[in-house]
Amino acid sequence: QSALTQPASVSGSPGQSITISCTGTNSDIGTYNYVSWYQQHPGEAPKVIIFNVNNRPSGVSKRFSGSKSGNTASLTISGLQAEDEGDFYCSSYTSTGTPWVFGGGTKLTVL
Amino acid sequence: QVQLQESGPGLVKPSETLSLTCTVSGGSLNDYYWTWIRRPPGKGLEWIGFVYDSETTSYNPSLQSRVTISTDTSKNKVSLTLTSVTAADTAVYYCARREITHLDVWGKGTTVIVSS
Repeated sequence: QSALTQPASVSGSPGQSITISCTGTNSDIGTYNYVSWYQQHPGEAPKVIIFNVNNRPSGVSKRFSGSKSGNTASLTISGLQAEDEGDFYCSSYTSTGTPWVFGGGTKLTVL
Repeated sequence: QVQLQESGPGLVKPSETLSLTCTVSGGSLNDYYWTWIRRPPGKGLEWIGFVYDSETTSYNPSLQSRVTISTDTSKNKVSLTLTSVTAADTAVYYCARREITHLDVWGKGTTVIVSS
């Protein structure tokens, strides 16, 4: 069982918006603004798409956005495209146990 | 552009030692936290630990007694050693570079199966 809870799968049609949630505790997401999101396509290295809750690295599409409310962080993808399919993982700094925790991952399917 | 490539044996016998190498190309090891993460089959990512400046290390408490992460700056490599492996150590192992608050560069990962 992962430290952060994500839905196992989400799906959407091209052009739609989807949101992936990532629920933690007061020891991680609820206290620290060090939430990051990673996208992984099959056979490829994971790639950071959001860091520090809502910051996009250079080169990442503006269609990806992040937010946080209480102990839950969210990744929203707008204008869904076929190339967005893949696995998404959230991560947060934590004050308990290991310094960094991850979610179990969410598989995004574009219908 | 920094690239990371993990390598090592794909199959390790129970109770033996797992040794993996991460080759860093296009950049220096200096001033970064070099991290190992793994993903067991059907599970999420698990943070294993990091090394910084060849001296400072931090490990997952659940693996602390069995894990060592080190660097060879002359070869630009980061190593992971995990002793006394069991089936629970079967996973895809990733090497990544930490940019303060997030992992900004990852390798593609290498699969390790623990089986006799």
